[in-house]
Amino acid sequence: DSGVTQTPKHLITATGQRVTLRCSPRSGDLSVYWYQQSLDQGLQFLIQYYNGEERAKGNILERFSAQQFPDLHSELNLSSLELGDSALYFCASSVATLSEQFFGPGTRLTVL
Amino acid sequence: GQQLNQSPQSMFIQEGEDVSMNCTSSSIFNTWLWYKQDPGEGPVLLIALYKAGELTSNGRLTAQFGITRKDSFLNISASIPSDVGIYFCAGHPGGQNFVFGPGTRLSVLP
Repeated sequence: DSGVTQTPKHLITATGQRVTLRCSPRSGDLSVYWYQQSLDQGLQFLIQYYNGEERAKGNILERFSAQQFPDLHSELNLSSLELGDSALYFCASSVATLSEQFFGPGTRLTVL
Repeated sequence: GQQLNQSPQSMFIQEGEDVSMNCTSSSIFNTWLWYKQDPGEGPVLLIALYKAGELTSNGRLTAQFGITRKDSFLNISASIPSDVGIYFCAGHPGGQNFVFGPGTRLSVLP
């Protein structure tokens, strides 16, 4: 158990819909990262927050947005969902930007 | 942006065999991390390396930070069925965020 929690574990929804994925980092970690992993693919970095502020952006679509709240938990919002958005979404946390990242168990999103 | 290459892309080995895989970059990296991902699960940190030439072990796993700082190696000795999974390397090229490699998929045949 990495100490990073993600909810929900599974999410099934329809095209055009909007969903919110939630992540709670390890105790003491200030930085949160979001990754997308499509079937049999590597980890695609989406976005990073540090202590409530956006720190780095990767290949995140405009339909996707995220935020980190004062209690340091983070949410990833995915809107106008398309079939191709079906993937595993991982959250990771670290003490600082250049520290080891610890991953949550992921949320499996299926868009029908 | 920065990219990491991992080889081999996939490998099939017999239970009990030793395994070697590597990760290379065209740039110098300051830290190397190795993760293992079981199917449908989140990656788990195996080993972290911080200094060129560093050799670190974690049970049957041994990883090395290459002298050139552009590569890292992971060895698994006496493989067992639960070693099956995808092994990712990750590194950060100084002041920037971690970059992840595409992974090496390991299959262990009984």
